[in-house]
Amino acid sequence: DAKTTQPNSMESNEEEPVHLPCNHSTISGTDYIHWYRQLPSQGPEYVIHGLTSNVNNRMASLAIAEDRKSSTLILHRATLRDAAVYYCILVPTDKLIFGTGTRLQVFP
Amino acid sequence: KAGVTQTPRYLIKTRGQQVTLSCSPISGHRSVSWYQQTPGQGLQFLFEYFSETQRNKGNFPGRFSGRQFSNSRSEMNVSTLELGDSALYLCATRDSPNEKLFFGSGTQLSVL
Repeated sequence: DAKTTQPNSMESNEEEPVHLPCNHSTISGTDYIHWYRQLPSQGPEYVIHGLTSNVNNRMASLAIAEDRKSSTLILHRATLRDAAVYYCILVPTDKLIFGTGTRLQVFP
Repeated sequence: KAGVTQTPRYLIKTRGQQVTLSCSPISGHRSVSWYQQTPGQGLQFLFEYFSETQRNKGNFPGRFSGRQFSNSRSEMNVSTLELGDSALYLCATRDSPNEKLFFGSGTQLSVL
């Protein structure tokens, strides 16, 4: 099963950029890299996704390594509302494996 | 468009009972996937249905089953409940396998 590896936790101060890494060394050529985040007491919500090129949207940026074996979610200016668990997954795969994600703490 | 709707929101059952959870997808979404979330375990994939057919299945015992109806609504069933089945059960829908997932708020199941 295609799997991703993320650090358990990260910390940031408000207004600072945050770089959340994800390793996916077994990625296949057709897998998209998706990022989701889960706020307390809510279901996960979509953040961003990409295939090969870097992607930007109003929430974040996604930087994908040239060999596609790793990626980084970039929050340009962290806010307290960004405190959540961030999941990186590969889509499509036979099984959607979310793992335990990275818990991001943001300090004022 | 209405979001993904999961019912009920909370459920309390006792060991040995069975339970059925429901997920209504966003209009037009044909794929429904189910997940179990327990503290410290993250999101664990149960199964995915696409156009009424089970597309993939996670590593859960046969007590966990699901189905999808022609209107894309999905149900999951857990029989012979165990204490360890206490968890938040989430469903997610999408309109095709490559697209982004939209999650419901989940059903919090407590087994006593």
